[in-house]
Amino acid sequence: DIQMTQSPSSLSASVGDGVTITCRASQSISNYLNWYHQKPGEAPKLLISAAYSLQSGVPSRFSGSGAGTVFTLTISSLQPEDFATYYCQQSYSSPSTFGQGTKLEIK
Amino acid sequence: QLHLQESGPGLVKPSETLSLTCTVSGGSISSSSNYWGWIRQPPGKGLEWIGSIYYSGSTYYNPSLKSRVTISLDTSKSQFSLKLSSVTAADTAMYYCASVHSPWTDFQHWGQGTLVTVSS
Repeated sequence: DIQMTQSPSSLSASVGDGVTITCRASQSISNYLNWYHQKPGEAPKLLISAAYSLQSGVPSRFSGSGAGTVFTLTISSLQPEDFATYYCQQSYSSPSTFGQGTKLEIK
Repeated sequence: QLHLQESGPGLVKPSETLSLTCTVSGGSISSSSNYWGWIRQPPGKGLEWIGSIYYSGSTYYNPSLKSRVTISLDTSKSQFSLKLSSVTAADTAMYYCASVHSPWTDFQHWGQGTLVTVSS
């Protein structure tokens, strides 16, 4: 199985800050990388697919980049609703696997 | 807009079979545009893809669970189902159903999830 490792595991930031979360794959996955966020008590929500394709309705402050084994999710100016747990997911090969999550908390 | 809703028992005894159903509305479960998947999340932990099914009935399972998992489709009821046999406490999790563009790519629309606890 392809292992996905996110860093950091947790992150504290303030409204208006910019933050970056990194996801590393144990082998090359081309651009088959998706990003989700999950708020407590809710299902995950797809933010970005194929490494950088923003889903409809997702604010432009979210952006994704990377290819191969290293990927990043950047939030340019944090809003209160962005404080959540973020997961990356590789969809290059079966079984699809997720990172362990990055919890973004308000400072 | 697709809407998915999980249903099923919230408590299952060890060694028994977990059975959940996902009801799809707002779109056709027979659409060639979507596969239908199950994902689970143990309390306080990360996400695990369980498997997916296509409208044709083709199924795709996570190898780690394949020996215990069956996913099926009932197009007449616009539902797809998950059965997980021989459950243990390690199968206690929130179970989500979701639509997905291909068997294990981007999970686009999610149900709200249903918590299943394995306990005697």
